[in-house]
Amino acid sequence: DIQMTQSPSSLSASVGNRVNITCQASEDISKYLSWYQQKPGKAPNLLIYDASNLETGVPSRFSGSGSGTDFTFTISSLQPEDIATYYCQQYDNLPRTFGQGTKVELK
Amino acid sequence: DVLLVESGGGLMQPGGSLRLSCTASGFTLSMYDMNWVRQAPGKGLEWISYISTTSRTVDYADSVKGRFTISRDDAKNSLFLQMDSLRDEDTAVYFCARDTPVVGATSFWGLGTLVTVSS
Repeated sequence: DIQMTQSPSSLSASVGNRVNITCQASEDISKYLSWYQQKPGKAPNLLIYDASNLETGVPSRFSGSGSGTDFTFTISSLQPEDIATYYCQQYDNLPRTFGQGTKVELK
Repeated sequence: DVLLVESGGGLMQPGGSLRLSCTASGFTLSMYDMNWVRQAPGKGLEWISYISTTSRTVDYADSVKGRFTISRDDAKNSLFLQMDSLRDEDTAVYFCARDTPVVGATSFWGLGTLVTVSS
């Protein structure tokens, strides 16, 4: 099974700051990685698919990059409504696997 | 409106069984690969099962393999998860989720149903 290692597990940043989250796969998953935002008590919301494609309706301050085993998710200018937990997931192979999550808080 | 609504959750004793349902509306379920994902209280997301269109391919996480069974009834626009031999660690909110055709990413989620396993 493919293991996804996401870091950091939590971070604190100010409004307007740039935020980076990384996800590393235990083997090559090509571009087949998605990023989700989850707010408390809510279902996850797809932000990025195929590593770098922005889902329709998602603000352009969110972006993704990478391929193979190393991926990065970026919020270019953190907004108060971005406070949430973010997850990566690989869908190159079954079983699909999630990263451990990154909780983003306001400083 | 496009909706996925899970039902069938509740309180069950260890060793018991539950059957979760996920009813789709606003779209034709038969066109989509589907998943079950769960989230234990205060924990992260855990993918647990996948079923392709026509049910040709199914798969499970090791944590539920041999105990849970995924199925679909496209005529009823519904997805199911039969959960047997329940354990305390199966306590979680269970989400059904739809993949985007061709792309493969899981793009649309239900609101979830809570399963509590406790004596």
